[in-house]
Amino acid sequence: SQQGEEDPQALSIQEGENATMNCSYKTSINNLQWYRQNSGRGLVHLILIRSNEREKHSGRLRVTLDTSKKSSSLLITASRAADTASYFCAISPMEYGNKLVFGAGTILRVKS
Amino acid sequence: DGGITQSPKYLFRKEGQNVTLSCEQNLNHDAMYWYRQDPGQGLRLIYYSQIVNDFQKGDIAEGYSVSREKKESFPLTVTSAQKNPTAFYLCASSYHYTEAFFGQGTRLTVV
Repeated sequence: SQQGEEDPQALSIQEGENATMNCSYKTSINNLQWYRQNSGRGLVHLILIRSNEREKHSGRLRVTLDTSKKSSSLLITASRAADTASYFCAISPMEYGNKLVFGAGTILRVKS
Repeated sequence: DGGITQSPKYLFRKEGQNVTLSCEQNLNHDAMYWYRQDPGQGLRLIYYSQIVNDFQKGDIAEGYSVSREKKESFPLTVTSAQKNPTAFYLCASSYHYTEAFFGQGTRLTVV
């Protein structure tokens, strides 16, 4: 499967703690993206990391990419209750142009 | 306002009926996508289109059809061949190899 696979499936932390989610995939990629979804809504793009990049930051978000291990991680620092949502990684497989394939997601709950 | 619009927000289908979900974008994006999301699950790709008059099957295309006659529009038809169509459908668009922008979704229920 080209699909990204996230772990853990669910994560529950206290406000102020850091949250780390991981994504693994099986094919060569153009880029890997992370998205957030609040319950019953559309997805919001968080960050895109290209295959030749190793790390990117955006505010409290830090994404790493290891193409040799075909894995990525999303770190949310100093989490807030408003970060409670589902988080998905999506890969753009190199051999399929603009195809964008999502994983099953991680449900993050931040308790206040 | 630039964005991507899905309609309707809620749709009810009788057994054996075809229904069409609308997706329109004014972002001048070349690529458009349709995904299906079941409760508590991730997004599964139904179809995607990289350019006008061209589209490719995703992982779960059976029972669905699409067209891309205009850059702005990528409607999805759920046919009677789709045996379990009740789900949340999401449309997205993007430039090539960049972030995707999502609509707010259509919730389809078979009655």
